[in-house]
Amino acid sequence: QSALTQPPSASGSPGQSVTISCTGTSSDVGGYNYVSWYQQHPGKAPRLMIYDVTQRPSGVPDRFSGSKSGNTASLTVSGLQAEDEADYYCSSYAGSNNLVFGGGTKVTVL
Amino acid sequence: EVQLLESGGGLVQPGGSLRLSCAGSEFPFNTYALSWVRQAPGKGLEWVSVISPGGGTTSYADSVKGRFTISRDNSKSTLYLQMTSLRAEDTAVYYCVRPLAPRWPLRGDFNYWGQGNLVTVSP
Repeated sequence: QSALTQPPSASGSPGQSVTISCTGTSSDVGGYNYVSWYQQHPGKAPRLMIYDVTQRPSGVPDRFSGSKSGNTASLTVSGLQAEDEADYYCSSYAGSNNLVFGGGTKVTVL
Repeated sequence: EVQLLESGGGLVQPGGSLRLSCAGSEFPFNTYALSWVRQAPGKGLEWVSVISPGGGTTSYADSVKGRFTISRDNSKSTLYLQMTSLRAEDTAVYYCVRPLAPRWPLRGDFNYWGQGNLVTVSP
């Protein structure tokens, strides 16, 4: 149950796009289409932004999109806004009813 | 509105025990698998454990296996996490979480989170 690998930080100017990667193995990210992404503002509980690699829950802006290629999943935030500045975490099903999270990426809006 | 209300956190000495509770409301409690997720101060998220809707199947992260026990009482719409042999590294905010849909096995689509309950393990 090793954590998924995310870059510690990412940044972009308002209106630009930023993409965060989440690298695992064939036993987790590469083996299942059950990758989720969470946004967390300081002092708040995480919020589900993407599930099942590409699906958005109701209420999540379509500026947020997810994808996957091989053992790496990605979250893209288009048209960056000030309120998108937060920590982002990926998670993946890892088989046998186990789940693994990434280490988190701090997104800064310049 | 779906609610998950946690209780039971606090300060405990290393080697001690503590039980967390999570009361669910405004959803069919007995149809959803439920999990615990924790976050150490200033650190990332860590999945801890899951229990199936009926309670018959459980799974744990390696870091807590053999020390933590997840259970549920569907008649009371309450989820539990019994923590024993606590260590300093178990210090964290513990969240009770529910997925978007009643799917099993778990998929990690945690759409509802409790308010978080701080557990501090310190002498």
